[in-house]
Amino acid sequence: ETGVTQTPRHLVMGMTNKKSLKCEQHLGHNAMYWYKQSAKKPLELMFVYSLEERVENNSVPSRFSPECPNSSHLFLHLHTLQPEDSALYLCASSGGLAGGPSSGANVLTFGAGSRLTVL
Amino acid sequence: KNQVEQSPQSLIILEGKNCTLQCNYTVSPFSNLRWYKQDTGRGPVSLTIMTFSENTKSNRRYTATLDADTKQSSLHITASQLSDSASYICVVSAPQNAGNMLTFGGGTRLMVKP
Repeated sequence: ETGVTQTPRHLVMGMTNKKSLKCEQHLGHNAMYWYKQSAKKPLELMFVYSLEERVENNSVPSRFSPECPNSSHLFLHLHTLQPEDSALYLCASSGGLAGGPSSGANVLTFGAGSRLTVL
Repeated sequence: KNQVEQSPQSLIILEGKNCTLQCNYTVSPFSNLRWYKQDTGRGPVSLTIMTFSENTKSNRRYTATLDADTKQSSLHITASQLSDSASYICVVSAPQNAGNMLTFGGGTRLMVKP
């Protein structure tokens, strides 16, 4: 266990369904992230939250809606998805914003991912 | 455009053999470079971090190198074990919070066979 827990681990949904992915960390980190990992493609940053405030929305379609109620929890709400949205969705956290001025210490800690299949 | 290219895309080696994975990047300015290991069904885990002033760093059987002039890094695995089978991802970070702070490579999928 890395300290970042994602649920569910696997999700199959139809294009008209509404579902949510959950991420939880108790590492005392201030930043949380959603990444999309598709086969044979680099990880794609979707959203970044720092101290519960969204600081990055990387041109993600509105059918993906993030929510960060507190610094320990992050959700990704899904609705009317497309088959091409099928992928592994990874949550990560870091002490501060990864890649920032103190980035040497701000390593990303990833969860195990939620494997999403859209039928 | 910031890019990170990794080669080879996939690699099969026999247990006990050595291998070297490559990472070329165009990210500028540069802060640091990390290698992550991602086991099947798991999230990536950091192996090592290289800063601008570091040329070589070792972590058990893993040795990472960095040439900031040519913008190249390598990850050398010595005496491979079956548990080394995984994807290895190179990630380069920029020192400023400007858009995508981290640029990920596509990874090298390594399979170690007995």
